[in-house]
Amino acid sequence: QKEVEQDPGPLSVPEGAIVSLNCTYSNSAFQYFMWYRQYSRKGPELLMYTYSSGNKEDGRFTAQVDKSSKYISLFIRDSQPSDSATYLCAMSSSGTYKYIFGTGTRLKVLA
Amino acid sequence: DSGVTQTPKHLITATGQRVTLRCSPRSGDLSVYWYQQSLDQGLQFLIQYYNGEERAKGNILERFSAQQFPDLHSELNLSSLELGDSALYFCASSATQGGTEAFFGQGTRLTVV
Repeated sequence: QKEVEQDPGPLSVPEGAIVSLNCTYSNSAFQYFMWYRQYSRKGPELLMYTYSSGNKEDGRFTAQVDKSSKYISLFIRDSQPSDSATYLCAMSSSGTYKYIFGTGTRLKVLA
Repeated sequence: DSGVTQTPKHLITATGQRVTLRCSPRSGDLSVYWYQQSLDQGLQFLIQYYNGEERAKGNILERFSAQQFPDLHSELNLSSLELGDSALYFCASSATQGGTEAFFGQGTRLTVV
């Protein structure tokens, strides 16, 4: 079993829809959670960073962490065609010195 | 712009050769991470350095090695290259040894022919 599981998609939604992207994980030591957006063949761009459980909002993006369920989510409101990309979740704990990534979910927002 | 600089952007080389990829972290960041991303694959962690010292190793092949210099830039050396080494190689940096935001460079696309 992988430490971090993420549905590869593709996920296709119409413009303006609310998008929900999710990751599950098995390592209860993870405390730091990140979401990255990666356009084709480009470097991952950090979107959201959260520590421990709870919600964090930044513009159209909301990140949620549920440590009891080992489940994190990224919500995108009013999705735009420019949001079409691969979204990667990443996690870290204070003792591992590395970030573990999901395989990414490919999102397509249709105009 | 993440502030992490990787050079070169593209590299084409023959099997059996050796190449060096370079990474300059964001100003003030002490940690450097190297990742490999093959076509349609996730990011595979290779190695991490913190302030010049190796801190963590992932699935890095023995043919690959890295170091971080006193000015905090890092180099990833790939030797005896095989066709399967063709991939995107990303460098990321963070302020501390994990647990803070990590910022990625734009990657070096390596093609082995």
